[in-house]
This record gives sequence, structure tokens and C-alpha cells, in this order.
Amino acid sequence: VVMTQSPLSLPVTLGQPASISCKSSQSLVSSDGNTYLNWFQLRPGQSPRRLIYQVSKRDSGVPDRFSGSGSGTDFTLKISTVEADDVGSYYCMQGTHWPPEEDTFGQGTKLEIK
Amino acid sequence: QVQMQESGPGLVKPSGTLSLTCTVSGGSISSEIWWSWVRQPPGKGLEWIGEIHHTGNTNYNASLRSRVTISINKSKNQFSLRLTSVTAADTAVYYCANLVGLPSDWGQGFPVTVSS
Repeated sequence: VVMTQSPLSLPVTLGQPASISCKSSQSLVSSDGNTYLNWFQLRPGQSPRRLIYQVSKRDSGVPDRFSGSGSGTDFTLKISTVEADDVGSYYCMQGTHWPPEEDTFGQGTKLEIK
Repeated sequence: QVQMQESGPGLVKPSGTLSLTCTVSGGSISSEIWWSWVRQPPGKGLEWIGEIHHTGNTNYNASLRSRVTISINKSKNQFSLRLTSVTAADTAVYYCANLVGLPSDWGQGFPVTVSS
């Protein structure tokens, strides 16, 4: 399964929304009916953290300005209003076809403030 | 909350072996979690290396399978990564992580440089 993110670079004005797309080469619907699509955030100088699991479930402590949506092969991470603390890179990762034969992460999207 | 900390040599010679250990605190490594290694080369994205379960079962990235071994030491609550025949392409920040658990936890990351 190949994960393709866009855009790879995302300049955003503070207070404006942002959206990142992640497309998989195969459906991520598992035989158990769940869809295992995760979003991770890497901020400079900090440990990576997961923001979203199973497409749209927010991890504990993640601000509600982050939301995930999508189904099948098309997924989106949205930030309703970008804050300075959101600068970093964002990666989608599929967990349905496990263990993966190809890399399981998208290429990453670098969010910066305009 | 589980804390994870990578440790090991930060410099490895080409053709040598990279060895890192992840120490897990605040939780048992024998819980029903798959413990992963992930790396990020400079200027590049994340790459999943492999994972281990407390039973000793492992899964590896197909592109690294011939060079990678992940092992577990339950008495020390640690798991380890061994990567042989390293080249400059293996220079990266290496993370240990629980990718898919609830919660998901990551170490701070450990930079490893392959250079003579």
C-alpha cells in the first residue's frame, strides 16, 4: 500500500484553516470493519505524537481544532485555525495492511507560518 | 503515562553495526503492545523499521529485513534494534515508539551518524 500526501509544503497564515490530503493505493477498510488510518505530528525539538487514529478519533490531549475525516482510500487532516504551535510536519500512516510491504507512512507535509 | 528513551552510540562506522536500546518506564513491556522502531533521515520523512511483541514475534520493513534484528529483554523492560552493514544512508534520528496503542507513545529520538 502506497500512501501519498499533498501538499508536501503548506504555508498558512495564523488563524486560518489548513488541510492535508492522504490517499492510499488500496482501501484501508479492514476485515473487522474498522479503518486504520493515523495522523502523526512532528514538531521541532519535541517527541512525535499521534493526533488522530481510526480516521477521525482524536488522541487524548489533542486540541479540537484538529480533525480527521475520510473513508476507503481518501483521507484528510484539517486544522480549523492554525496556531504557531502547529508548525512542524504531519504524516499519515496506514495500519490496515500490516505488516506493510512498502513504507507505511506518507511522505509528510511541512506546515509553516506565512 | 509510558515514557520511552532511546540510547546507544551516536556514531557508527560504515560497514559496522548500529545498536540501540529503548527503555520503557511507567508501563510493562509485556503488555499487549507491538513495540516499534522508526527513523527519519536528515531532510526526509519517517520510515518504519520494524516491531516486536513481548512474545518475541517480529515484523520488519521488507527493504531492511536482511539487515535488521529487533529483540526484547523483559527483565529490563527494554527492546533493542540491531542494524548491520550500515552506510551513510542509515544516518538518521531513530525513534522507539508504540505506534498504534492507546495511547501512542514515542521516545525523544536518538541521532545516529554513520561516518568514518
